[in-house]
Amino acid sequence: DIQMTQSPASLSASLEEIVTITCQASQDIGNWLAWYQQKPGKSPQLLIYGATSLADGVPSRFSGSRSGTQYSLKISRLQVEDPGIYYCLQGYSAPWTFGGGTKLELK
Amino acid sequence: EVQLVESGGGLVQPGRSLKLSCAASGFTFSNYYMAWVRQAPKKGLEWVATISTSGSRTYYPDSVKGRFTISRDNAKSSLYLQMNSLKSEDTATYYCARHRVLQSPYFDYWGQGVMVTVSS
Repeated sequence: DIQMTQSPASLSASLEEIVTITCQASQDIGNWLAWYQQKPGKSPQLLIYGATSLADGVPSRFSGSRSGTQYSLKISRLQVEDPGIYYCLQGYSAPWTFGGGTKLELK
Repeated sequence: EVQLVESGGGLVQPGRSLKLSCAASGFTFSNYYMAWVRQAPKKGLEWVATISTSGSRTYYPDSVKGRFTISRDNAKSSLYLQMNSLKSEDTATYYCARHRVLQSPYFDYWGQGVMVTVSS
């Protein structure tokens, strides 16, 4: 199974700050990676697919990138509605696996 | 608007069975793979099952293989998850999700989730 190691597990940032979350894949998964945001009591919402493609309706301050087997989600200017838990998902092969999550809070 | 509405959750004893349902609307259900993803309380996300458009192909992780069965009724735009031999570790919120499998697979729409509690 492909392991997705997500970091940090939690972080606290200020409004307008740049935030970066990373996922390390245990093997090459190409661009087959997605990012999700989950708010308390809600279902996950798709942010990024194909490592870099922005999902419909997602603000442009969210972006995804890849360097080898490391993937990053960047929030360019943190907004009040952005706190939540962020997950990565590898879509390269079954079993499709998620990262452990990053809890983002406002400082 | 894509809508996925799960039902059928509840409290069940270990070793017993439960069947979840998901009613889909707002898209051509028969054109899409569908999936179930679960989340144990205060834990992360775990993919549970995927079914092809016709239902001829199904996929499971080892944690549920042989105990869970995913199925669909395209005429009713409905997805199901039959869960047998339930264990305490199956306690979770179960989400129905549309599974995009071409190019870079991902789950693009999710239901609100249904809680399953396995306890005596």
